[in-house]
Amino acid sequence: DAGVIQSPRHEVTEMGQEVTLRCKPISGHNSLFWYRQTMMRGLELLIYFNNNVPIDDSGMPEDRFSAKMPNASFSTLKIQPSEPRDSAVYFCASSPESYNSPLHFGNGTRLTVT
Amino acid sequence: KQEVTQIPAALSVPEGENLVLNCSFTDSAIYNLQWFRQDPGKGLTSLLLIQSSQREQTSGRLNASLDKSSGRSTLYIAASQPGDSATYLCAVRGNTPLVFGKGTRLSVIA
Repeated sequence: DAGVIQSPRHEVTEMGQEVTLRCKPISGHNSLFWYRQTMMRGLELLIYFNNNVPIDDSGMPEDRFSAKMPNASFSTLKIQPSEPRDSAVYFCASSPESYNSPLHFGNGTRLTVT
Repeated sequence: KQEVTQIPAALSVPEGENLVLNCSFTDSAIYNLQWFRQDPGKGLTSLLLIQSSQREQTSGRLNASLDKSSGRSTLYIAASQPGDSATYLCAVRGNTPLVFGKGTRLSVIA
């Protein structure tokens, strides 16, 4: 199993540009999560999906952030327009549909907005 | 709102020592508690998952305990090795997805 795959690994962009982060969850996993990690705030949940349906997006910081999961094998997180304070590592994670299943994380996308 | 705290924030020990990492949480209504390891520039790797009905879980040199009523968990690492150097994060699952602590950065010195 290839694990959770995220792309790109690194993204450097200028303020105001659109950024799209991509995630391929582990096959067969029904739940997908987007987290953001910063030194100051640690890991914060942005949004999660069950069976491709967004369940809770209360962690999405602003309307500039949006996430989609068009099918069971692909999800995107978009920031438009990007701002320097969005600089962070963005992680995608997936798990089987169970409260007691461990989360499997991708290697993250390090976003730098200048 | 669930809050997870990990103490200490950083820890440095000589190789071979046994050590304990601490985690506390404010809301005891949880389904499980998970311990993760994060290496620099990498994602998180799940180490142990303790269900709310369990008291502890073991994997190799790692042992995690859970005292749900007091809102505490510990991760015990026996006979530490330089390869154990990483950040260890604790996370709890309640009615919302995993809420994470900020981690303990462990350095094991050869």
